[in-house]
Amino acid sequence: DTEVTQTPKHLVMGMTNKKSLKCEQHMGHRAMYWYKQKAKKPPELMFVYSYEKLSINESVPSRFSPECPNSSLLNLHLHALQPEDSALYLCASSHYRDRGPPGNIQYFGAGTRLSVL
Amino acid sequence: AQTVTQSQPEMSVQEAETVTLSCTYDTSESDYYLFWYKQPPSRQMILVIRQEAYKQQNATENRFSVNFQKAAKSFSLKISDSQLGDAAMYFCAYANFGNEKLTFGTGTRLTIIP
Repeated sequence: DTEVTQTPKHLVMGMTNKKSLKCEQHMGHRAMYWYKQKAKKPPELMFVYSYEKLSINESVPSRFSPECPNSSLLNLHLHALQPEDSALYLCASSHYRDRGPPGNIQYFGAGTRLSVL
Repeated sequence: AQTVTQSQPEMSVQEAETVTLSCTYDTSESDYYLFWYKQPPSRQMILVIRQEAYKQQNATENRFSVNFQKAAKSFSLKISDSQLGDAAMYFCAYANFGNEKLTFGTGTRLTIIP
């Protein structure tokens, strides 16, 4: 099973709302990622969790709050977002570096299409 | 910092023909990985092929093969016998050995003409 499951598929929220995105994988991967992708652009890395600890934060605004409750689950909590935050949010997972090759192949979910009104 | 450049924003090919997508990168590292990812209109990013820099042999996966030129820092993707299902955005990506961060190129949108 090489599946990364993201819910919801679509989300519309107002600027004062609080919502959460969820990502789940059961491949035994110990690295999980959040990306933001604008239309016709490559994904931009937001956060990396390694062994359930935040290892990379790409200077993301605090209105995005990641959480990794266990090795299979990754959440992204959203609060007071701006219209420019509207995008496709992708989750990915991979083996962590201490597993050596196969070169940290990342497996992606289908994404959550977020619209901020 | 590493950079990845895809100079072809759009490409098109007739069904059953062969097409080559270009990618160049810049790095001072000697151990790294290169990837081609495919993102069809349905959005899910899928790994197409991976190349380890220390291997001289070019990677192949069925109809997909790469031309890896380490000295030239070039990593092109060849798709043989193109099929309608190959229509997608193709991203070239780079990762240092032992590092989780992927650096993506800007992508090439491939259209298959029936």
